[in-house]
Amino acid sequence: QQQVKQSPQSLIVQKGGISIINCAYENTAFDYFPWYQQFPGKGPALLIAIRPDVSEKKEGRFTISFNKSAKQFSLHIMDSQPGDSATYFCAALGTGNQFYFGTGTSLTVIP
Amino acid sequence: KAGVTQTPRYLIKTRGQQVTLSCSPISGHRSVSWYQQTPGQGLQFLFEYFSETQRNKGNFPGRFSGRQFSNSRSEMNVSTLELGDSALYLCASSLTPSEAFFGQGTRLTVV
Repeated sequence: QQQVKQSPQSLIVQKGGISIINCAYENTAFDYFPWYQQFPGKGPALLIAIRPDVSEKKEGRFTISFNKSAKQFSLHIMDSQPGDSATYFCAALGTGNQFYFGTGTSLTVIP
Repeated sequence: KAGVTQTPRYLIKTRGQQVTLSCSPISGHRSVSWYQQTPGQGLQFLFEYFSETQRNKGNFPGRFSGRQFSNSRSEMNVSTLELGDSALYLCASSLTPSEAFFGQGTRLTVV
């Protein structure tokens, strides 16, 4: 059973546009929600993260929106650039220091 | 500061063989976690070690094992390899539970 559900599976956005990736979870014990960015041949790199007591966190062009009651969170990439083309994973930290990952979103930003 | 180093980067093994992968965490990080990444299942937690003790284990068969040394370096071993074990194996080191830094992974191909 997938503990964290992520959508869409793939996303194509024009340069300068907004990329939005959504995730949902069921386990209310999760208390930390990071987003990872992965380029081909590389390991995932932490992009931005949020805790459930905050509804929004912004770092540069990247924003996490968090809805605790709906158990959903999303990543917004403003002014998307071709260099943002990568696979993005949402995750949730559960007990035992175990991360539960979404299935990933392949983002392509067209110049 | 050096990142997480995984060796080797690529491996090709035959069904039935065993394999050992190595991970050197970031200096000062005592927690090391291992994940398996496949196109179908995404990133799945294998196990976590802290101060040479396995603290948590994912839902993988006993063929998958690991250990951690006193210098925090970790190894994982897979015995009796199966075709389905072909994957990218990622190691993550952490100073705190919420910050996981991933290595580039070891790409294992079982033929």
